[in-house]
Amino acid sequence: QMQMQESGPGLVKPSETLSLTCTVSGGPISSSSYSWGWVRQTPGKGLEWIGNIYYTGSAYYNPSLKSRLTLSVDASKNQFSLRLSSMTAADTAVYYCARRNRGFLEWISQYYYYMDVWGKGTTVTVSS
Amino acid sequence: SSELTQDPAVSVALGQTVRITCQGDKIRNFYTSWYQQMPGQAPMLVVYGKNNRPSGIPDRFSGSTSGNTASLTITGAQAEDEADYYCSSRDSSDNHLQVFGGGTKLTVL
Repeated sequence: QMQMQESGPGLVKPSETLSLTCTVSGGPISSSSYSWGWVRQTPGKGLEWIGNIYYTGSAYYNPSLKSRLTLSVDASKNQFSLRLSSMTAADTAVYYCARRNRGFLEWISQYYYYMDVWGKGTTVTVSS
Repeated sequence: SSELTQDPAVSVALGQTVRITCQGDKIRNFYTSWYQQMPGQAPMLVVYGKNNRPSGIPDRFSGSTSGNTASLTITGAQAEDEADYYCSSRDSSDNHLQVFGGGTKLTVL
């Protein structure tokens, strides 16, 4: 059974860069069937999709974060990572990593997505 | 980008049926996935695709779509179903982007 675990600092200073890593166990990250993503949840608020990356390195970002965000993958370690620069208090949140699976819609030749395996989340606070 | 709209709160009497809805311009084009989140826990997938449930999810959970509204139905709600529920779908503007609804807090009375 696949498991995912986030790791990284719990406290980041304003203007600094957040680096988080998600370690995947129970299966290879190098599968073309899945992409690997990040979702965050600010205190008392809903879920926000951050971005996803395939093991090939192709990455897709939330437009609202794109200018500050970099996703990367290390298949040799079965890990993928997030870097979010210029952190502010608004970035204080619980950050989750998740596996994104997909199904194919034959009538429009498009994929739909769903996140079927989640990490437990890591709390990141931005404060001086 | 697309937006998905959910009612902030819904309540249901124990054992009754409840429908949680998710509205969005492009929902008719792509299947919606649904996630249950208990307090202090990570979200958990409960319904995806046309109407599929991951292993271990009770069959009282079902999904459907009508026009631009997706619905998660819980038939015979149990006390343990009290949680926040989020819908998610593709962003129509890009093949790979994804959006979440604002979430619905379900109270089982």
